[in-house]
Amino acid sequence: AQKITQTQPGMFVQEKEAVTLDCTYDTSDQSYGLFWYKQPSSGEMIFLIYQGSYDEQNATEGRYSLNFQKARKSANLVISASQLGDSAMYFCAMREPGFQKLVFGTGTRLLVSP
Amino acid sequence: EAQVTQNPRYLITVTGKKLTVTCSQNMNHEYMSWYRQDPGLGLRQIYYSMNVEVTDKGDVPEGYKVSRKEKRNFPLILESPSPNQTSLYFCASKEPGGTQYFGPGTRLLVL
Repeated sequence: AQKITQTQPGMFVQEKEAVTLDCTYDTSDQSYGLFWYKQPSSGEMIFLIYQGSYDEQNATEGRYSLNFQKARKSANLVISASQLGDSAMYFCAMREPGFQKLVFGTGTRLLVSP
Repeated sequence: EAQVTQNPRYLITVTGKKLTVTCSQNMNHEYMSWYRQDPGLGLRQIYYSMNVEVTDKGDVPEGYKVSRKEKRNFPLILESPSPNQTSLYFCASKEPGGTQYFGPGTRLLVL
């Protein structure tokens, strides 16, 4: 079964600095998808970025990039030039084959200080 | 605006009183799903629906029912809520490419 591990319960970063949030995954499938979601204190889940297992280049979306290392089964989220509004919980998730559900990690709480 | 909506956003109820949380999406997605979020556990899938009239259990379906009579709506029904169903609930719909978009969440407290 698929499993997502986020080992950092909390991270601190200063405004304008870059931060990396770790995510490792476990799957025996060759085809899979990896996602990152942001959950601010208001509670909604906001889609940030997606990486397919066959994508040769790392995904990027504005200040977000995904450092995909397939052999190490890691999919770390890099946020460049952190902003105060980036303070939130961040979840890594993997799509099951058959697209039936997402398997989520337990999340990392990011705090950005001025 | 493309979105998933849920109602109510906040609900306090008592054990055993039936309730329904509505979910609607305007993106014409075939796939819809319900998750619950609990501290330290991340999000876990309750039920999903691949298309109209087709639903199936997720990882934690006990105590829940769903129905999918039309494409845009996917209500979550708690026939006899219990305190262990106190949680944050998310409805989601998925585009064909695989990205799931979540509703704003419903915070449920069962006393």
